[in-house]
Amino acid sequence: SQTIHQWPATLVQPVGSPLSLECTVEGTSNPNLYWYRQAAGRGLQLLFYSVGIGQISSEVPQNLSASRPQDRQFILSSKKLLLSDSGFYLCAWSAGTRATNEKLFFGSGTQLSVL
Amino acid sequence: QKEVEQDPGPLSVPEGAIVSLNCTYSNSAFQYFMWYRQYSRKGPELLMYTYSSGNKEDGRFTAQVDKSSKYISLFIRDSQPSDSATYLCAMAGGNTGTASKLTFGTGTRLQVTL
Repeated sequence: SQTIHQWPATLVQPVGSPLSLECTVEGTSNPNLYWYRQAAGRGLQLLFYSVGIGQISSEVPQNLSASRPQDRQFILSSKKLLLSDSGFYLCAWSAGTRATNEKLFFGSGTQLSVL
Repeated sequence: QKEVEQDPGPLSVPEGAIVSLNCTYSNSAFQYFMWYRQYSRKGPELLMYTYSSGNKEDGRFTAQVDKSSKYISLFIRDSQPSDSATYLCAMAGGNTGTASKLTFGTGTRLQVTL
């Protein structure tokens, strides 16, 4: 069966520090991978998605970047965190069927607090 | 107007009650409808997945889609304290692309009390 691992669960970082959140998927090949941010009362905001190694699509301009160095690894990064980067970050995957009705499966999330 | 509207709640019900959670939407191209359950500080978990109009039942959960009214519902029978969570609806048009096109509601927080 497929599993998705996301770490760390909680992170407290000072403003201006770098960020690296990692996500890996097991039990599937060529998944589509996603990074979402969830703010209280504002729902899920799609940040990046990837359909293959090295292929990244950005949904919103921001202080963050994403990379996919391996088929089942997705990394969210920042060179200098801002206070506004605080939030709950979720990694997700779907089978790479190239259909918008794919089922989306989420990791357990990372609560990031920038102070 | 948002594409998907969902009452944020909180909705508080006693244990054993029937719960009705709802979403309305404006995009008539949506054909696939999902419900996710999210416990506090956890990732959303796919609960129900339905296509087009009609009902789908899974244990105590029933998902209902009325495309003519652009209205979807999730019913929970015999609600339990363990059902206390935020429920998010999501929908997609079934076109070529990825799940990046999935549109989410903002979620309804449900609390089931003893």
